[in-house]
Amino acid sequence: GEDVEQSLFLSVREGDSSVINCTYTDSSSTYLYWYKQEPGAGLQLLTYIFSNMDMKQDQRLTVLLNKKDKHLSLRIADTQTGDSAIYFCAESGAGNNRKLIWGLGTSLAVNP
Amino acid sequence: GAGVSQTPSNKVTEKGKYVELRCDPISGHTALYWYRQSLGQGPEFLIYFQGTGAADDSGLPNDRFFAVRPEGSVSTLKIQRTERGDSAVYLCASSPNRVATDTQYFGPGTRLTVL
Repeated sequence: GEDVEQSLFLSVREGDSSVINCTYTDSSSTYLYWYKQEPGAGLQLLTYIFSNMDMKQDQRLTVLLNKKDKHLSLRIADTQTGDSAIYFCAESGAGNNRKLIWGLGTSLAVNP
Repeated sequence: GAGVSQTPSNKVTEKGKYVELRCDPISGHTALYWYRQSLGQGPEFLIYFQGTGAADDSGLPNDRFFAVRPEGSVSTLKIQRTERGDSAVYLCASSPNRVATDTQYFGPGTRLTVL
């Protein structure tokens, strides 16, 4: 069945880069997403990538996709304390039904 | 404009009771999704509506769970004979579903606690 896996914890120093990794099993995944969830707040879409792309950059965020290995990563440059949150990887297929299959989330702690 | 809203924000109930959770999607969004997120977990898909019809209810855990969207806008998730294991945050998301790049917009969730 469909499965999305992430490492559970990451700790970095302020100003360093953070890299959060994700693997997925569904080869028909068309869209891959990164969401951010802060304590007591809703899910915020950070960025997404089509499966026919290798890379997408959006300001401090860089998404890399290795479709052959079904591996997705999110790099946050110049990580700030405000980036401390849980980051979820999710995938969906194409078509009208874009139900999201989610990983467990990676808890990012940014230390001053 | 207004985002996705969900009511109530918190619901505490006793085991065995019936609850209804409401989702108001963004106006004009034809697709509506329900997810639930247990503590320490990622969200889990429950059901997808396209318009008024439930196009995919494969994520509903059992027949105690039911959802409706009678006019293609507001949706209600109904849980009968609640169990302690139903305690979670129930999330609703809507999407325009017009073009390939349309994504889902999430509400703040309803935190359900079954005592």
